[in-house]
Amino acid sequence: QLQLRESGPGLVKPSDTLSLTCIVSGGSMSRSFYYWGWIRQSPGKGLEWIGSSSSTGSAYYKPSLVNRVSISVDTSSNQFSLRLTSVTATDTAVYYCARLDGLFPPDSWGQGTLVIVSS
Amino acid sequence: QSVLTQPPSVSAAPGQKVTISCSGSSSNIGNNVVSWYQQLPGTAPKLLIYDNDKRPSEIPDRFSGSKSGTSATLAITGLQTGDEADYYCGTWDSSLSAVFGGGTKLSVL
Repeated sequence: QLQLRESGPGLVKPSDTLSLTCIVSGGSMSRSFYYWGWIRQSPGKGLEWIGSSSSTGSAYYKPSLVNRVSISVDTSSNQFSLRLTSVTATDTAVYYCARLDGLFPPDSWGQGTLVIVSS
Repeated sequence: QSVLTQPPSVSAAPGQKVTISCSGSSSNIGNNVVSWYQQLPGTAPKLLIYDNDKRPSEIPDRFSGSKSGTSATLAITGLQTGDEADYYCGTWDSSLSAVFGGGTKLSVL
C-alpha cells in the first residue's frame, strides 16, 4: 500500500521560502507514468492544485504560482519536494502531497501538513 | 472563485439519494475526464470516482459518477450518516493545470 507523508516547518516568515518534502513508502517512484504533486487547502476553503512533476522532470504548475513554485522528484531517495518562494499570509494552508495517475487525478494522498505564514 | 462550479451544500435523509453537480466549460470538463473526492472532517481527500464513472476497488457501488458535455454529476444512494463530508470534483484544464470545484458540503439529516 503506497503511503505518503509530508514533512517540513509549520511556520514560515513572510517573504521567506516554504520548503516541504514528501516521503513515499510502499511503492516505487520510478515509473515515469506517475506524477508527484502538491495540493493545498486554505483554512475553511477548497482544494487548490499547486503543481506536479514526473520522475523525468516533466512539470506543470498552476499559472498564478508558476513564478514562485518548483517541484523536484528524487527517485533514489523515494521523495519529492515543494519550494514556494516569497510567501505571504495567503499561502497559509494545509499542504498535501499526492501521487497522480498521469497528469490527473491524484489517487493517493498524504495526511497533510499545516503551514502558517506569520512573523 | 473556482474554475468548476459546485453547489455549496446539499442535504438528504438517511437511505435517500443525493446528487452533486459540477459545471465547467469546454476548456476543462468538456474535453477531459472528471474525478470526485470525499473529504471527511479533519482528513485528507480520498478518490471516489475517476475517469468520469470508474470507482477504485474499495469504494462501494453506492457512489457513482457521470458526465455529459461540460457538466458532471456525483450520485450517492442509500445515504449513511458516515457520508457526511465535503465532496470535490476535479479535472485537467487547457491551461495545462488541474482545477477543482469549490466543494459541496453534504449533510445527512
